[in-house]
Amino acid sequence: QKEVEQDPGPLSVPEGAIVSLNCTYSNSAFQYFMWYRQYSRKGPELLMYTYSSGNKEDGRFTAQVDKSSKYISLFIRDSQPSDSATYLCAMSASNFGNEKLTFGTGTRLTIIP
Amino acid sequence: DTEVTQTPKHLVMGMTNKKSLKCEQHMGHRAMYWYKQKAKKPPELMFVYSYEKLSINESVPSRFSPECPNSSLLNLHLHALQPEDSALYLCASSQDRNREMETQYFGPGTRLLVL
Repeated sequence: QKEVEQDPGPLSVPEGAIVSLNCTYSNSAFQYFMWYRQYSRKGPELLMYTYSSGNKEDGRFTAQVDKSSKYISLFIRDSQPSDSATYLCAMSASNFGNEKLTFGTGTRLTIIP
Repeated sequence: DTEVTQTPKHLVMGMTNKKSLKCEQHMGHRAMYWYKQKAKKPPELMFVYSYEKLSINESVPSRFSPECPNSSLLNLHLHALQPEDSALYLCASSQDRNREMETQYFGPGTRLLVL
């Protein structure tokens, strides 16, 4: 079993829809959770960074962490064609700078105009 | 400013060539990383430098040789690569102290093709 599971998609939704992206994990030591967006042939861009359980909102993006279920989500409201990208979840047990990140496989998302 | 820059953007090299990838950040970050990413796969950690010292080597073949000449620069020297080494090579940086809400910021990557 992989430490982090993420549905690779592809996921296609119409413009304006709410998108839900999810990851599950098995390592209960994980406390720091990140979502990265990666456009084709580009480096990952940090979208959201949360610590422990709870919600965090930033504009159209909301990150949720449920440590009891070992489940994290990213919601995108009012989705736009520019949101079309691969979304990677990542997590770590500490936020020491040299802590290894464990990534999900990424979900390819397409927003249809 | 959360910018990590990488040069070159693209690189084509033969199996007998020697080349170097460069990464630079001016955010005062003291940890820097090299990752390798194959198509449709997540990034795979290769090396971590912490305060200019190699702290993690993920059993990477010796044909990849990292170097951290100062706290802002990170190089990856390439020699005698194989075609299967073709990938996107990503550099990242982060603070290296226990401050909340610190994580890794990635550069745009160097797309490497080995012929």
